[in-house]
Amino acid sequence: DGGITQSPKYLFRKEGQNVTLSCEQNLNHDAMYWYRQDPGQGLRLIYYSQIVNDFQKGDIAEGYSVSREKKESFPLTVTSAQKNPTAFYLCASSMGTGLGETQYFGPGTRLLVL
Amino acid sequence: AQKITQTQPGMFVQEKEAVTLDCTYDTSDPSYGLFWYKQPSSGEMIFLIYQGSYDQQNATEGRYSLNFQKARKSANLVISASQLGDSAMYFCAMRVAGTDKLIFGTGTRLQVFP
Repeated sequence: DGGITQSPKYLFRKEGQNVTLSCEQNLNHDAMYWYRQDPGQGLRLIYYSQIVNDFQKGDIAEGYSVSREKKESFPLTVTSAQKNPTAFYLCASSMGTGLGETQYFGPGTRLLVL
Repeated sequence: AQKITQTQPGMFVQEKEAVTLDCTYDTSDPSYGLFWYKQPSSGEMIFLIYQGSYDQQNATEGRYSLNFQKARKSANLVISASQLGDSAMYFCAMRVAGTDKLIFGTGTRLQVFP
C-alpha cells in the first residue's frame, strides 16, 4: 500500500536531549514537509523539501533540523535548542509544489518532554 | 497578510442532516488554492476537497461540497447527510501561488449525534 509512515507514534524527550522523528513515503513524491500542531491551533510549517539534498525553513524552524538524503525519507531532529517541543508533529508529501498539489499526511508523532 | 479564519470552534449536527463549516481567507494574490482537511481523533490529516481561485464551479467530492464565494473571500465546507464517522476536527487551508506552504486555520470540531 502506498502511503506515509511516521515513527515512533509517541516519543519522550529528556531535557537537553536531541531526538529524531522518522518520516518515510512510498508515493514517489518529490516534495516533503514537516508541520507542528499545538492544542487548539492549526498546523505550522517547520521545514520543507522540494527535492533530494535541498530543503528550506518554514515559519518555525528554530530548534529543528532536517535532512533529505533519499527521496523517500525526510527525518526531523528536535534539538535541545527547541525550548518548547511538546506538540504533535505531522509529516506530509506532495507530488510537486504547484498551486493545486495536494499534500498527504502521515499519522503523526506525539512528542512529550519528561 | 495571508490568513485563514475559522470562527466556529465547535458545531453539532444530527445524523443525516447537512452542516456548513465556515472558512474565510485573506490574501491579495489573485491566484490561490483552498483545501479542506479532516482530522479524526487518531490525528492523521485526511484531504477532503480542493478549490482553485480561478475555478468557475464549486468543487464537489461525494458528500462534500465547497461553497466558494470569491467576492466575500469565503470557502465554506458543506457536508451533506452527516454520518457518525464525520465527527472530527476540520481544517481549512490556503496556498498562494509562488509559495510552498499551506496556511491553516484553527479548525472546527464537528460532532455528529444520533
